[in-house]
Amino acid sequence: AQKVTQAQTEISVVEKEDVTLDCVYETRDTTYYLFWYKQPPSGELVFLIRRNSFDEQNEISGRYSWNFQKSTSSFNFTITASQVVDSAVYFCALTDIYNQGGKLIFGQGTELSVKP
Amino acid sequence: DAGVTQSPTHLIKTRGQQVTLRCSPKSGHDTVSWYQQALGQGPQFIFQYYEEEERQRGNFPDRFSGHQFPNYSSELNVNALLLGDSALYLCASSVPQGRRNTGELFFGEGSRLTVL
Repeated sequence: AQKVTQAQTEISVVEKEDVTLDCVYETRDTTYYLFWYKQPPSGELVFLIRRNSFDEQNEISGRYSWNFQKSTSSFNFTITASQVVDSAVYFCALTDIYNQGGKLIFGQGTELSVKP
Repeated sequence: DAGVTQSPTHLIKTRGQQVTLRCSPKSGHDTVSWYQQALGQGPQFIFQYYEEEERQRGNFPDRFSGHQFPNYSSELNVNALLLGDSALYLCASSVPQGRRNTGELFFGEGSRLTVL
């Protein structure tokens, strides 16, 4: 069975601090996809990144970076120089190759609070 | 370009009643998925519709049913409401697999259902 674990329920940081959100996943599939979504107070989930299991190259997008390590089944997300606008709930998610665009398995989310 | 729109945004029902939630997908998308998000939890997949048929289903009872219309919009129906059905119901749209599908889901802001 597939499972995503986000052990950090809540994180609070002061603006400009760096913060890492942890994600550990379980799957028996050899090909799978991992995602991060952001959920602001308005409710909609906003797509941040998709990574397939064959691509372990880390990715950086502005202040955001992602560290995918297949050996430890982890897909961690780092925000550098955090800002108040980064305050939201962040979800890590997993799907197999046959379920793209459909069934995602989400973790329980990490609520990030960035204080000025 | 309109994103995913859902209605109503909030509603209150009593146990035993029935509810219908509506979703219009993002322009150009023809696949709709529904998720239930209980307070403090990650979203859980209910089902997916494509070409007016239910394609995948999560672990939800038959009280949860859906429909997709020729214009790709969708409805989620829940019968015999229970207190535990109180949640944020999220609709997500995407292009189907094989059509330059990045696996990205576009979410609406959700319908918050309270069952008393």
